[in-house]
Amino acid sequence: DAGVIQSPRHEVTEMGQEVTLRCKPISGHNSLFWYRQTMMRGLELLIYFNNNVPIDDSGMPEDRFSAKMPNASFSTLKIQPSEPRDSAVYFCASRPGGQGQGYTFGSGTRLTVV
Amino acid sequence: SQKIEQNSEALNIQEGKTATLTCNYTNYSPAYLQWYRQDPGRGPVFLLLIRENEKEKRKERLKVTFDTTLKQSLFHITASQPADSATYLCALGRGYGQNFVFGPGTRLSVLP
Repeated sequence: DAGVIQSPRHEVTEMGQEVTLRCKPISGHNSLFWYRQTMMRGLELLIYFNNNVPIDDSGMPEDRFSAKMPNASFSTLKIQPSEPRDSAVYFCASRPGGQGQGYTFGSGTRLTVV
Repeated sequence: SQKIEQNSEALNIQEGKTATLTCNYTNYSPAYLQWYRQDPGRGPVFLLLIRENEKEKRKERLKVTFDTTLKQSLFHITASQPADSATYLCALGRGYGQNFVFGPGTRLSVLP
């Protein structure tokens, strides 16, 4: 199993541009999570899906952020327009349905908005 | 609002000693508590999960305790090695189908 796959690994973009982050969860995992990590605020949940349905998006900072999960094997997080304060590492994680299991995180996307 | 604290930002110990990391929480009643390890430039890696009705769980050199009265979890690494140097995060969840909230992490350095 290749684990949770995120792309791109690094993204540098100019303020105002649209950014799309991608995630492929582990096959068979039915929950998917998007987190953002910064030195100041640590690891913060943005949104999570169960069986492709968004369950809690209260962590999405503002309307500039949107997330989709069109099928069980793919999710996107979009920022439009991007701002310098969005600079962070964005992690995707997935989890199987059974109890006693933790999250499997991807390697993250380091986003820099200049 | 709920708050999760981990004992210190950084902890230095000598190789071979037992490292003890603390996770304290307030305004929360978690049913599950997890511990993760994170290396620089990588995503967190799941280590252990303990339920509210379990007092202790072990995995190789790792031991986790969970005291719902004190609202505290302790994470122990025995016979620590330089390879154990990393940031360790605790995460709390109320229901298994729900989200886990992460603490700020403790950066552990094991000195040879």
